[in-house]
Amino acid sequence: DTGVSQDPRHKITKRGQNVTFRCDPISEHNRLYWYRQTLGQGPEFLTYFQNEAQLEKSRLLSDRFSAERPKGSFSTLEIQRTEQGDSAMYLCASSLTTGLNGYTFGSGTRLTVV
Amino acid sequence: GDSVTQMEGPVTLSEEAFLTINCTYTATGYPSLFWYVQYPGEGLQLLLKATKADDKGSNKGFEATYRKETTSFHLEKGSVQVSDSAVYFCALTLASGGSYIPTFGRGTSLIVHP
Repeated sequence: DTGVSQDPRHKITKRGQNVTFRCDPISEHNRLYWYRQTLGQGPEFLTYFQNEAQLEKSRLLSDRFSAERPKGSFSTLEIQRTEQGDSAMYLCASSLTTGLNGYTFGSGTRLTVV
Repeated sequence: GDSVTQMEGPVTLSEEAFLTINCTYTATGYPSLFWYVQYPGEGLQLLLKATKADDKGSNKGFEATYRKETTSFHLEKGSVQVSDSAVYFCALTLASGGSYIPTFGRGTSLIVHP
């Protein structure tokens, strides 16, 4: 297992377009988290899954954002009608249920909306 | 709500200097505490953790002790190297309703000069 993989690493899109990011977690981890990080800030929680169930969504996750984890393995995060304020690094992390052994992060997808 | 407060950066040190990065937390329960490190263009990597009061987490010469009485988890290293230059994030996680969602501080940038 090579850790948490995110694709793409960078995405530049025009305002109003839709974008989709993918995250492949560590295979034995049942929890998957999405975070957003802007320059000079810590990661902000967006949503998380336990297996295929999406258990919690942050108020930061507007109606334009949707996430799925259809078979409890990889996950996708889609942003519809992108806005310039969506420009950020989107981080994915995975863990076992309690996270007491830590959370393994991917390298992130950097989104730039022009 | 639960939160983590870190000292503002950047922290600028000469090689072999002593490092302290302060972290305090506010939590409604009994959290587990973590330090993560982020190198430029990469995701977060777990540096060390502590799950109960008076536990000391350590890794790669870094240490932090869980102080319940002062709600602190300060990061220390006796002799920093140029390769330690990165952003350091303090985080907590709580078993609130079984969620275990990590909450991060804003990060403290460390710059080490030769």
